[in-house]
Amino acid sequence: DAGVIQSPRHEVTEMGQEVTLRCKPISGHDYLFWYRQTMMRGLELLIYFNNNVPIDDSGMPEDRFSAKMPNASFSTLKIQPSEPRDSAVYFCASSLGGGRAYEQYFGPGTRLTVT
Amino acid sequence: AQKVTQAQTEISVVEKEDVTLDCVYETRDTTYYLFWYKQPPSGELVFLIRRNSFDEQNEISGRYSWNFQKSTSSFNFTITASQVVDSAVYFCALIPTGTASKLTFGTGTRLQVTL
Repeated sequence: DAGVIQSPRHEVTEMGQEVTLRCKPISGHDYLFWYRQTMMRGLELLIYFNNNVPIDDSGMPEDRFSAKMPNASFSTLKIQPSEPRDSAVYFCASSLGGGRAYEQYFGPGTRLTVT
Repeated sequence: AQKVTQAQTEISVVEKEDVTLDCVYETRDTTYYLFWYKQPPSGELVFLIRRNSFDEQNEISGRYSWNFQKSTSSFNFTITASQVVDSAVYFCALIPTGTASKLTFGTGTRLQVTL
């Protein structure tokens, strides 16, 4: 089975530009998570969805960040406008519901560089 | 709030040596899950193990073994006969049951295995 798919794998953009990161979770998984990894802050949960509904977005840094999940097989994380401090690796993860809700499987990540 | 501490920032061993990665956690929740993830140089996060706080049995999977001691709030990970392919950053993480969301990660331990 395919794992979590993220695109693009690398993104380089200029400050002020809009950036959209994409994620396809594992088929059948009810939960989808967006994380950010930086050297300074480690791995941080940004937002998560259950059955396509955003449940907790308290980790979203500011209004420049937004996430959507229009259907069970696709989610986006958008940054508009981007800033250099947004440079990080962004991971998407998914998990089953019920008792398996705690095993999160991560995608390969998108390395974002904002210049 | 939860906290996961991985005091060892970096460990270097020679191939075939055994190595133990330490993980100490803090939580007020009585039930929770503990995890180990591996992040190889390629960057993806690979799920290794999940352990329920009810189950203090040690687990062995090939060259990997995990020692969970609730009395000391520790969940240590041992690699026996290390190999160069084990070189990676290893993360310990915790999630309280009932919330399939806030996976709290430690800061990671970088393991370097040399010939």
